[in-house]
Amino acid sequence: DQQVKQNSPSLSVQEGRISILNCDYTNSMFDYFLWYKKYPAEGPTFLISISSIKDKNEDGRFTVFLNKSAKHLSLHIVPSQPGDSAVYFCAASATWDKIIFGKGTRLHILP
Amino acid sequence: DADVTQTPRNRITKTGKRIMLECSQTKGHDRMYWYRQDPGLGLRLIYYSFDVKDINKGEISDGYSVSRQAQAKFSLSLESAIPNQTALYFCATSDPGTASTDTQYFGPGTRLTVL
Repeated sequence: DQQVKQNSPSLSVQEGRISILNCDYTNSMFDYFLWYKKYPAEGPTFLISISSIKDKNEDGRFTVFLNKSAKHLSLHIVPSQPGDSAVYFCAASATWDKIIFGKGTRLHILP
Repeated sequence: DADVTQTPRNRITKTGKRIMLECSQTKGHDRMYWYRQDPGLGLRLIYYSFDVKDINKGEISDGYSVSRQAQAKFSLSLESAIPNQTALYFCATSDPGTASTDTQYFGPGTRLTVL
């Protein structure tokens, strides 16, 4: 039973345009959501997070939106840059509990 | 120096062999985790430890065991390796402190191949 779902295995976006990565979750107890970025041959690195008391969190070119009623969150990257090509993992946790990861979306930024 | 280190970085072994993957951290975090990554399956939790005396099974613990030797060290063992344990293995740490939310910090990974 997959609690965190990333339904797009891959996404290609033109450099300079907006990249939108989507994530859905099923556990209504989740109250903290994170995005991780992973390059080949490296471990995942934390990118941005959002608490369930917010619906938006912004950090530079990265913005995460949370729609609790739809159990959906998205990561927006604008403008997209070549260095953004990576695998992005969505993750979620309930208070005091461990983090659950999605399967990841591979983002390709096209020149 | 890296905060979370894993040894070895690459390992090729044969079916039936015992193998240990080691993880060390200098972040002073209480929580440590072992994940495996397979193509199309994302990161799956094998075992986790919230402190030195605490060990918990994750979603895919069968065929694996762990040891938390100290706050800074968490090792993963495959008692009798099999080919479907070929994967990329990641160690991670976290320390939410008094916060109810948590962020994990990952090591560079160990690529394990079982022939």
